[in-house]
Amino acid sequence: TQLLEQSPQFLSIQEGENLTVYCNSSSVFSSLQWYRQEPGEGPVLLVTVVTGGEVKKLKRLTFQFGDARKDSSLHITAAQPGDTGLYLCAGAREYGNKLVFGAGTILRVKS
Amino acid sequence: DAGVIQSPRHEVTEMGQEVTLRCKPISGHDYLFWYRQTMMRGLELLIYFNNNVPIDDSGMPEDRFSAKMPNASFSTLKIQPSEPRDSAVYFCASSFVGNEQFFGPGTRLTVL
Repeated sequence: TQLLEQSPQFLSIQEGENLTVYCNSSSVFSSLQWYRQEPGEGPVLLVTVVTGGEVKKLKRLTFQFGDARKDSSLHITAAQPGDTGLYLCAGAREYGNKLVFGAGTILRVKS
Repeated sequence: DAGVIQSPRHEVTEMGQEVTLRCKPISGHDYLFWYRQTMMRGLELLIYFNNNVPIDDSGMPEDRFSAKMPNASFSTLKIQPSEPRDSAVYFCASSFVGNEQFFGPGTRLTVL
């Protein structure tokens, strides 16, 4: 049973479109992280959110942590082929503790 | 600065053989994590260390898997004997105090 449910599992869109990836749980997390992984490489941290309701922006990427700290979303504006990859959310129950990863969303942006 | 270093990058072995995967964490990091990634199960935490001491090994599949961290700059994950179902990409990650983890490039293990 996945503690963190990600949706959609797979997304194929055209360059320039917008998209949102969701990460949901029935558990409360002290923090939630988003990673991006390219083929043949390890996941790379994009952002960490720690406060309920927090919104962080990283260029065309907007991350939001739910008020109850049980869910999060990643919104990409005007997607580009370079955004292609596997996006993983990961939650931590306690600071400094182990992370629980979602199954991931495979994003493919076609030019 | 060097990131997390893993070796080998690729390993092909036959069922029953011993496999040893190696990891050098980022200097100064006090947490080290071993993960396994497969298409079916995603990214799974196997074991993690804090200051070289194993804290949680509940993700280790069975007694065939063992991990050690003899010092702050080196860790090994050993599988003995290996089985085809152990085929996966194994990642090592390290972090400092908090839980922002930095991953190595992974070791792709194939057990025939």
